[in-house]
Amino acid sequence: ETGVTQSPTHLIKTRGQQVTLRCSSQSGHNTVSWYQQALGQGPQFIFQYYREEENGRGNFPPRFSGLQFPNYSSELNVNALELDDSALYLCASSLYGDEDYGYTFGSGTRLTVV
Amino acid sequence: DAKTTQPTSMDCAEGRAANLPCNHSTISGNEYVYWYRQIHSQGPQYIIHGLKNNETNEMASLIITEDRKSSTLILPHATLRDTAVYYCIVRHAGGTSYGKLTFGQGTILTVHP
Repeated sequence: ETGVTQSPTHLIKTRGQQVTLRCSSQSGHNTVSWYQQALGQGPQFIFQYYREEENGRGNFPPRFSGLQFPNYSSELNVNALELDDSALYLCASSLYGDEDYGYTFGSGTRLTVV
Repeated sequence: DAKTTQPTSMDCAEGRAANLPCNHSTISGNEYVYWYRQIHSQGPQYIIHGLKNNETNEMASLIITEDRKSSTLILPHATLRDTAVYYCIVRHAGGTSYGKLTFGQGTILTVHP
């Protein structure tokens, strides 16, 4: 059973640029969630994807968008990067509809905006 | 969103039980309590979860009060490798927030020799 893998592990971007982060879900999972974790803070929910559609969103602006593919992998896209977007971005996969499931997190992508 | 309140930090001696408390007084009847831990900016690691009954697995035990307004995570024999940030989380059960995990600040557990 493979876990959740994220790429890249580290990334440096310039303010105003766009970035795409990738996530492969755990085998057997069909739902992907994305979280942003600023330094010293707990992870904050960005959104969740199921059946290739967004079905839950946290308090993040529209410049944060995502995709889910038929193989359940996912991308997080952030446009017009701001310095405050510097954070660890975490992907978590799960099995939708199973009320007794846990979420498996990846190791994250560390994004630095300069 | 149901919020959780945890102590900022706790210490525990190696080999002793670590008891980490969590308050979630606004939890709804169909919302689960999850515990995760995070070691040095790695991804959060699942520990245990429960709805209303006490739960035990190979890592820990979860004790949930009868009114479900608080819970305690118990690491029965803490080791140095258990030093981490521990998050108590309420999982949302419906609507547009289905499945959303709301993390708080967590408890920094330090296990010392």
